[in-house]
Amino acid sequence: AQSVTQPDIHITVSEGASLELRCNYSYGATPYLFWYVQSPGQGLQLLLKYFSGDTLVQGIKGFEAEFKRSQSSFNLRKPSVHWSDAAEYFCAVGGSNFGNEKLTFGTGTRLTIIP
Amino acid sequence: DSGVTQTPKHLITATGQRVTLRCSPRSGDLSVYWYQQSLDQGLQFLIQYYNGEERAKGNILERFSAQQFPDLHSELNLSSLELGDSALYFCASSVTGLDSPLHFGNGTRLTVT
Repeated sequence: AQSVTQPDIHITVSEGASLELRCNYSYGATPYLFWYVQSPGQGLQLLLKYFSGDTLVQGIKGFEAEFKRSQSSFNLRKPSVHWSDAAEYFCAVGGSNFGNEKLTFGTGTRLTIIP
Repeated sequence: DSGVTQTPKHLITATGQRVTLRCSPRSGDLSVYWYQQSLDQGLQFLIQYYNGEERAKGNILERFSAQQFPDLHSELNLSSLELGDSALYFCASSVTGLDSPLHFGNGTRLTVT
């Protein structure tokens, strides 16, 4: 069964500091990996995705993530956070097999930014 | 704006009742996904439809059912409602499957009293 672990429930960083959100996945084949962001009262917005190829993927809003197969990880990074980055972040894993298109989400990491 | 429209935004109903949640996907998207988000379960995949046909099934209860109509909008029907069904229900759409970006609606908040 596929699963995602986000070990950090809540992270607080100062504005301008760097950020890394951890994500570990379990999947039987080469996974599709995603990071989504959710602001209060809103739906989820896709930040970036990994399907294949270059293991370092760039996303919107200055975010990037690195796929490390040996560690089953897909950590999200940003060199300098802005107050507007405060939100809930979800890592997700899925596959392309017909009949197995479900996207499994982690429990999320809440990011708080302090001035 | 993701282009995915969900109605209603809020729904309050009593235990034992039945409700219907509606989702209009982005123009051109053939796949519709339903997710349930609750504090204790997190985001749970319920079901996916592609061009009118069921394509993948997740942790959807037998009391719940869904369908996708010829105009590609989708409805999620929840019956014999229980307090534990209170949650935020999201619809997402994509052009085909997970190989194209999922666009999420803003959700329907269901409160069962």
